[in-house]
Amino acid sequence: AQKVTQAQTEISVVEKEDVTLDCVYETRDTTYYLFWYKQPPSGELVFLIRRNSFDEQNEISGRYSWNFQKSTSSFNFTITASQVVDSAVYFCALSELRGNKLVFGAGTILRVKS
Amino acid sequence: EPEVTQTPSHQVTQMGQEVILRCVPISNHLYFYWYRQILGQKVEFLVSFYNNEISEKSEIFDDQFSVERPDGSNFTLKIRSTKLEDSAMYFCASSEVQNYGYTFGSGTRLTVV
Repeated sequence: AQKVTQAQTEISVVEKEDVTLDCVYETRDTTYYLFWYKQPPSGELVFLIRRNSFDEQNEISGRYSWNFQKSTSSFNFTITASQVVDSAVYFCALSELRGNKLVFGAGTILRVKS
Repeated sequence: EPEVTQTPSHQVTQMGQEVILRCVPISNHLYFYWYRQILGQKVEFLVSFYNNEISEKSEIFDDQFSVERPDGSNFTLKIRSTKLEDSAMYFCASSEVQNYGYTFGSGTRLTVV
């Protein structure tokens, strides 16, 4: 069965600090996809990244970077030099190739203070 | 960029009433989904739909819920007799390929009073 664990319920940082959001997943499939979504206070789900299980290369996009490690079943997300606008709930999610759904983690509330 | 459109953005309904939430998926997408998020909680899968039938549904998606694609563009979620605990944000999503490249709508906030 699919499962996503985001152990950090809430993180508070001061602007310009780096912050890492943890995500650990469980799946029996060898082919699967991992996602991160941002949910700002307005409520919509903003897609950030998708990785497939065969691509373990880390990815960087501006201040965002992702570290995918199959050995530890983790897909962590780092924001460098955080900004107040990064304040949101961040969800990690998993879908299996043979499945029909996304399974979300519980989310991490990130508060960035100026 | 193509969008998934959901209407209304907010709906208030009385307990026991039927409610229909509407979604217009992206036109060339073939897979459609509904998810629910109770305030302050995680996003939960309700149902997936492909080729005019349900592919998978969760335990939440009981007999009170139904989905339909009444024409070539709309995808609806009906709740037959709403309960207080149905109050949540409901997200529609679509994808061109199964389980890949989901696009979410901006959600309908349903409040049952």
